[in-house]
Amino acid sequence: DQQVKQNSPSLSVQEGRISILNCDYTNSMFDYFLWYKKYPAEGPTFLISISSIKDKNEDGRFTVFLNKSAKHLSLHIVPSQPGDSAVYFCAASAFFDYNAGNMLTFGGGTRLMVKP
Amino acid sequence: EPEVTQTPSHQVTQMGQEVILRCVPISNHLYFYWYRQILGQKVEFLVSFYNNEISEKSEIFDDQFSVERPDGSNFTLKIRSTKLEDSAMYFCASKGQGIWQPQHFGDGTRLSIL
Repeated sequence: DQQVKQNSPSLSVQEGRISILNCDYTNSMFDYFLWYKKYPAEGPTFLISISSIKDKNEDGRFTVFLNKSAKHLSLHIVPSQPGDSAVYFCAASAFFDYNAGNMLTFGGGTRLMVKP
Repeated sequence: EPEVTQTPSHQVTQMGQEVILRCVPISNHLYFYWYRQILGQKVEFLVSFYNNEISEKSEIFDDQFSVERPDGSNFTLKIRSTKLEDSAMYFCASKGQGIWQPQHFGDGTRLSIL
């Protein structure tokens, strides 16, 4: 199942610089996109999301950009901090109706390492 | 901050046995989910549950699996006749009302089938 793909398995960034994590999707029915951060031995922690009616959403150091025509989203972290080192998953869902589950389809993850 | 809690954190079971994984979703959430992640693979959707019934399920969620909300707080995943390939991290998640609301995940149960 390659509906959501994160092509970079890992990314290394210097502290204070920008981290850019990318995600591509193929299903045009997806209308809600999320980024999760995951530390070892913990569950995915919700970070930021964007709906298909927007092309940008910002929350503090985190900004998500959505390019619907390219079926591409990215997560920008500025400035990057050592505590940001984790695996980042993008996920997508499609809304059908309020009784549906809105299941998430996950990418494979990108391991971000922020070096002091 | 409210969180999803899962028990146990690690479950070791003999092949062929039944296991029950437990979850306490966030209290005012209405949608509940189970996902799993086999080592080295993607997080995969298993099932969603809303209004006391299954709303969606994946091909993985066959007759071996069942879910239940036995009371107002717990949400359980039962796996019957466990197989070696059921070994994985199982994550529970819950979501509040609204179209574009994030799912919040627990820390998972590591299931090891011997």
